[in-house]
Formats: sequence, structure tokens, C-alpha cells
Amino acid sequence: GESVGLHLPTLSVQEGDNSIINCAYSNSASDYFIWYKQESGKGPQFIIDIRSNMDKRQGQRVTVLLNKTVKHLSLQIAATQPGDSAVYFCAENMLNTGNQFYFGTGTSLTVIP
Amino acid sequence: DAGVTQSPTHLIKTRGQQVTLRCSPISGHKSVSWYQQVLGQGPQFIFQYYEKEERGRGNFPDRFSARQFPNYSSELNVNALLLGDSALYLCASSSFGGETEAFFGQGTRLTVV
Repeated sequence: GESVGLHLPTLSVQEGDNSIINCAYSNSASDYFIWYKQESGKGPQFIIDIRSNMDKRQGQRVTVLLNKTVKHLSLQIAATQPGDSAVYFCAENMLNTGNQFYFGTGTSLTVIP
Repeated sequence: DAGVTQSPTHLIKTRGQQVTLRCSPISGHKSVSWYQQVLGQGPQFIFQYYEKEERGRGNFPDRFSARQFPNYSSELNVNALLLGDSALYLCASSSFGGETEAFFGQGTRLTVV
């Protein structure tokens, strides 16, 4: 029979290299975005957020870039470590919808030691 | 400080049965949201509660219901379970009702047989 399901985009990087994970969001009215990291068997873990009045925000080893013109987000991880291996999701929050987030498909990051 | 706690961690139910999942938010958080995550996909929004009132509802059938208690904990109920309800059910808490970071629990893995 036909198999049904989504295949996650995957990214493999060498330990110590920088990683870039991309996300296209769907609604131009979205004004708040979060990147989450999800390890197998665990709930999503907050990494970094950005509001639509910004185009860049930096955290510890992570940077999020927002391009509203093309509705694109990216997450940059510097000096990627084996512990960074996980599925990464971007989530968008639309105006006046409270904490209702819409999640992308996710990207599976594998760090090669 | 304890994070978001969910119970039970795993559950197996038979088609047609009913299930209740529980969530305790981070201390001081007044908003709780529920998400369903099917294997290989991103979380999908089900409900948001803020100050004990429903503030948002996703595209789920009426078999899904929820409530929030005076201590801000929450329950998600699913009636007449279907095989397709098998998923990881995630609870997220946040300080306010809108556009702030949401922190997730570890989830309840529901299997319907």
C-alpha cells in the first residue's frame, strides 16, 4: 500500500562547523517567531525568539534572522556540537491570536563528530 | 523551579474510549496551550486557555475539549478515540495570553489501539 507521511528535511554538519537551518513561514500577518529544538522523546525546547520589528537577534551560539519580504527565517548555530543534534522547528504567532503558534515541518540536524 | 509537567507520560487506550491528560504550568504562568504532534510532523495547535477562559481553538473536532482550573493547571479530554488520535500531546505554558515565549512539557504519548 501507499505510505503516507512527511519526510523531514535533514542537515548533516561536522562538529565545530556552523549550521544554518531555514524556515519559510506562511502568514505575512505573523509578528512573533520562535525557534524550538526537539530531541527524541522530549517536548520542544525554546531556543530563541524574534519579533517582526527586528531582522536579527543573537543568543548564545545562536542567531535568528528574519526576512519579512520573503517570509523567511533562519537559525544559525555557531560551532555546532554533538548535543545540537535534534529536530528544529520554527513557530509563527499571528496578531491577536494569543499564544496560538503554527509550526513548520521541522529540520533534522545531525552533527558528525 | 519546576518546568511544565504533564501526566501521564504514556497511555494506551482502545478505540472508542475516552482519555484525560493533565498539565501543570510553570509557577506564575497563567496561560496554557495544548498541541498534538503526530510522528514526523510539527505540533498542531488544539486549544489555548488564559485566566481560565478559552482564548483560541484549532481545527480539531468537538471530541476534543479542555478546561483550566483556578490554580491554572489544565486538562485535555478526548472522547470516542480514533486510531488517528495516536500522537504526542504537548502542553505549553506562558506568562501572558499572547505573543510571548511558550515553554513546553515533555508530553503525553497516547497510543490508540
